[in-house]
Amino acid sequence: EAQVTQNPRYLITVTGKKLTVTCSQNMNHEYMSWYRQDPGLGLRQIYYSMNVEVTDKGDVPEGYKVSRKEKRNFPLILESPSPNQTSLYFCASSPTTPGLAAFLHYEQYFGPGTRLTVT
Amino acid sequence: GNSVTQMEGPVTLSEEAFLTINCTYTATGYPSLFWYVQYPGEGLQLLLKATKADDKGSNKGFEATYRKETTSFHLEKGSVQVSDSAVYFCALRPFSGGYNKLIFGAGTRLAVHP
Repeated sequence: EAQVTQNPRYLITVTGKKLTVTCSQNMNHEYMSWYRQDPGLGLRQIYYSMNVEVTDKGDVPEGYKVSRKEKRNFPLILESPSPNQTSLYFCASSPTTPGLAAFLHYEQYFGPGTRLTVT
Repeated sequence: GNSVTQMEGPVTLSEEAFLTINCTYTATGYPSLFWYVQYPGEGLQLLLKATKADDKGSNKGFEATYRKETTSFHLEKGSVQVSDSAVYFCALRPFSGGYNKLIFGAGTRLAVHP
């Protein structure tokens, strides 16, 4: 089954304790992205990756790191979590194409979400 | 800049009622437009999309038409079911200046009662 998986699904942690949320996709997609979802704000992009070893900041990158060593995996790292990072996090992937116009039309496939609470 | 505005929820309807969820956008050029649905405890799923002006996206009885003149992409369904209860997100993918991401509205929660 084609899917994006995330682990863990739920996590409660304390301020300053480093954590990693894993994301994996089995669709051979080049593009992957992380979003956070907060009430009244919709989803906002944290980081994205157009391909292996190519990552870039989204709209809200402060306090987060990512890496893309393999095509299928795109972990999100919080080196020193703070309470304002309490949120629902989604990983997404999509194919890319040499043509920009076609890329714009592709949907993004989302993982089930990781609910993070930082106390 | 690019942005999406959705009607605030929650929207509460009886089964078989007509549904409209308004969505308007601000963007340069011709963005691609999407509706995603999020069922309780799940991730987002694509509901429908439209990639150029006057296109109509449709799926599972839902429809939305890309209106360039009013910069709108309203979601409609003629007869909702209890199983349609979810949060609905309107989103755009800019043609330039940020095509690498989706820009989402705040989401509209729909509750359908028997």
